[in-house]
Amino acid sequence: AQSVTQLDSHVSVSEGTPVLLRCNYSSSYSPSLFWYVQHPNKGLQLLLKYTSAATLVKGINGFEAEFKKSETSFHLTKPSAHMSDAAEYFCVVSSEGNKLVFGAGTILRVKS
Amino acid sequence: SAVISQKPSRDICQRGTSLTIQCQVDSQVTMMFWYRQQPGQSLTLIATANQGSEATYESGFVIDKFPISRPNLTFSTLTVSNMSPEDSSIYLCSVEDPNRGITDTQYFGPGTRLTVL
Repeated sequence: AQSVTQLDSHVSVSEGTPVLLRCNYSSSYSPSLFWYVQHPNKGLQLLLKYTSAATLVKGINGFEAEFKKSETSFHLTKPSAHMSDAAEYFCVVSSEGNKLVFGAGTILRVKS
Repeated sequence: SAVISQKPSRDICQRGTSLTIQCQVDSQVTMMFWYRQQPGQSLTLIATANQGSEATYESGFVIDKFPISRPNLTFSTLTVSNMSPEDSSIYLCSVEDPNRGITDTQYFGPGTRLTVL
């Protein structure tokens, strides 16, 4: 069965500094992996998706993620955090029947 | 991507009552999904709803508690029946967007925030 583990429940960074949100996955086959963001009192927005075309995936708002099969990781990064990046981020893996399996989420706090 | 709306956006209900949540999409989609997000938790899939067939429920969710309708390719409803405070959650619908030819990427509605007293 597919699963994801988000290694940090909370991450706090200063505005202008890099962001790293860590995700490890478990899958019996080559999966599709996603990062979604949820701003307070808002719905989920797709940030980016990995489908095996390229290991480095660029998403919206300056975010990118690198798929590392040897480490079973799909960490999300951004070079410079902005106040508007404060939100909860979910790492997600696709499962059979196109079902999505969500990680527990990482709350990103950006300090001014 | 498809535009997805949900009604109501939020509601406060009494225990023992039922609430029907609507999900409307601006284009025809084959697969629709319903998720629950309990307070402070991640999302859990409740069921998959395909037009013209019965919904497929995940382990721990049953049709008597969460009946789902899918009358056409743009609309679905989820009913939370005989509610208890434990049902207080955000309920979200999602769809795969056929317009982009992508079959395993889901786009989410804004959610319905339910509080049961």
